[in-house]
Amino acid sequence: NAGVTQTPKFRILKIGQSMTLQCTQDMNHNYMYWYRQDPGMGLKLIYYSVGAGITDKGEVPNGYNVSRSTTEDFPLRLELAAPSQTSVYFCASSYRDRGRGETQYFGPGTRLLVL
Amino acid sequence: AQSVSQHNHHVILSEAASLELGCNYSYGGTVNLFWYVQYPGQHLQLLLKYFSGDPLVKGIKGFEAEFIKSKFSFNLRKPSVQWSDTAEYFCAVTLSNDYKLSFGAGTTVTVRA
Repeated sequence: NAGVTQTPKFRILKIGQSMTLQCTQDMNHNYMYWYRQDPGMGLKLIYYSVGAGITDKGEVPNGYNVSRSTTEDFPLRLELAAPSQTSVYFCASSYRDRGRGETQYFGPGTRLLVL
Repeated sequence: AQSVSQHNHHVILSEAASLELGCNYSYGGTVNLFWYVQYPGQHLQLLLKYFSGDPLVKGIKGFEAEFIKSKFSFNLRKPSVQWSDTAEYFCAVTLSNDYKLSFGAGTTVTVRA
């Protein structure tokens, strides 16, 4: 299994541009997540999905949109990029561990710079 | 508000020294606890996790963590670090009936050869 894959690895955007960060998992996990990581701040949840066709807001959703048309894919859309969206973005997916709890597995990240 | 606190922002050690990283949480219910590691330029990897049972959990690469319910703590330990343990370490918590993780701010560990 490739696990969780993300593209691109790095991108520079101009203010006001838009882009889509891609995330794919091949582990047949129902749950998927998008986080952003800022220095000294840990990871903050942007959006999550509990299955195809179902998405919900996390802690910091403003400026982002998601969709989940298949189990495997969970793209994150940035509309009208702003400097505050400069960050490292991680996608994750999870499974329920023998009925006890979810364990999340992370992709390699996308580094985004908005100038 | 629920939160996860990691006590140290940056720890510098020499090889073979012992490591202990603190993590405290402020959740009122039953929790699941995790430690993740992020090596330079890489993505987060799971070191260990606690759901229930023995409060002393052993993970990969010689790491272990102890859940002390009365102290709301889940400290990470390694008896003898190596240069390759240089990384950022994140504590994360979720309620046992939930799936959304809350992360601490992370601790950067630098091991000098």
